[in-house]
This record gives sequence, C-alpha cells and structure tokens, in this order.
Amino acid sequence: EPEVTQTPSHQVTQMGQEVILRCVPISNHLYFYWYRQILGQKVEFLVSFYNNEISEKSEIFDDQFSVERPDGSNFTLKIRSTKLEDSAMYFCASSLSQGDWTEAFFGQGTRLTVV
Amino acid sequence: QKEVEQNSGPLSVPEGAIASLNCTYSDRVSQSFFWYRQYSGKSPELIMSIYSNGDKEDGRFTAQLNKASQYVSLLIRDSQPSDSATYLCAVNNPILTGGGNKLTFGTGTQLKVEL
Repeated sequence: EPEVTQTPSHQVTQMGQEVILRCVPISNHLYFYWYRQILGQKVEFLVSFYNNEISEKSEIFDDQFSVERPDGSNFTLKIRSTKLEDSAMYFCASSLSQGDWTEAFFGQGTRLTVV
Repeated sequence: QKEVEQNSGPLSVPEGAIASLNCTYSDRVSQSFFWYRQYSGKSPELIMSIYSNGDKEDGRFTAQLNKASQYVSLLIRDSQPSDSATYLCAVNNPILTGGGNKLTFGTGTQLKVEL
C-alpha cells in the first residue's frame, strides 16, 4: 500500500542550527502538507504546497520556515535557525486532489528535539 | 478562528463494549470531516471520513454527522484493547486560492479499552 515516508525519524539539533526534514509523498499525489504536533498538544497545520508553490501557510510558518520540492519525489521542510519551541513531531502529508472529499495521508513523522 | 472541540478523556470502556467519541466544530460551512487514530508517539492514521448528514459504517466503525448541530461522532463496536489510542477529529477547509486542503484538528479523545 502506498505510503508517505519521512526521514529522519528523530533529529536532535542545537538551538540556532538549521534542520531539513525530508518527506516522500505518495507518488501520484499532487498536494503536500506539513503539520506539527508539540508534545501533548493538537496537530497543527503549517503549510500546503501545490504546483511548486505554497498555497497556504499558518501564522506558525514564519520566515524561519521554508519548503521545497527539489525533485520529482522529495518534499522538504527547512527550519533556518531552530528554537527550543520548535521541538515537536513534524508530519508530512499528501493528498491526491483538493476539494471537500479529499483524504490526506500522513507520514510516520520526524521527532525534532532542539537542545 | 475555526475550532474543533473534543473531550480529552480518558474514556474507558470494557472490551466488547461500544465506545462513543464526540466532536463539535465551529465553522458552519465545513463540509467534510475525518476521524484519525493516533497511537502514542505515532502519526495520525485515517480511519473514517464523512461528508453527508447521517451515519456511515465501515466494519466496526460508524461515523455520524449532524451539520445542523455541528456535531460529529465515532462509534466503535466490539471494542478491543488494540483500539486503545487517541482519536482525533479533523475538519477539512479547502484552500480556495492555490489549492489543497487544511485540516483543523481537535485535541483528541484518549480511549482505553480494558480487559
């Protein structure tokens, strides 16, 4: 069964360092997303990406964050200068289409720990 | 601010019983709703989607939607210990410009199925 894959599963980084989280969406999907979940809190939307452009971003997704689809398969989230409060699980998701009846499928997540 | 509300629980039910999980949402124009299951430390796993008022059944799971009351529920029949997890209610909001969808999640209800 097709799935969204994320690497690494766990990343530890020092405050101020740059990190890149990687995702391979389901191959025929066209819409890509990043969500995050701080420990014990809700899953929160960060950004959606379609046709090589950001289609929407949340207020969490500030200038420290960027996304890229560098080739035909990978989708990355970069955090330029990590802060302690960036520690969270980051989930990549993808969907085949847009519209009310679209289902989004999540990767297994990357646990980011900023020390 | 679009909100999705769930009782955080824990909801404890004996094995074999029916578990009933509830969710309310604030955005009256929302059209599609999802239930995800999340095991501790894992990613959300889609288990049900519902778009029309009424009931939708899939195996031991039944989703119920009442748009007039802005209420979604999930029933799990014949609950098993393996159903013990956090159940996340998510409301879909299509991104009108640029494409894609944005899920707004509730905090989740922790379900414990006891032997």
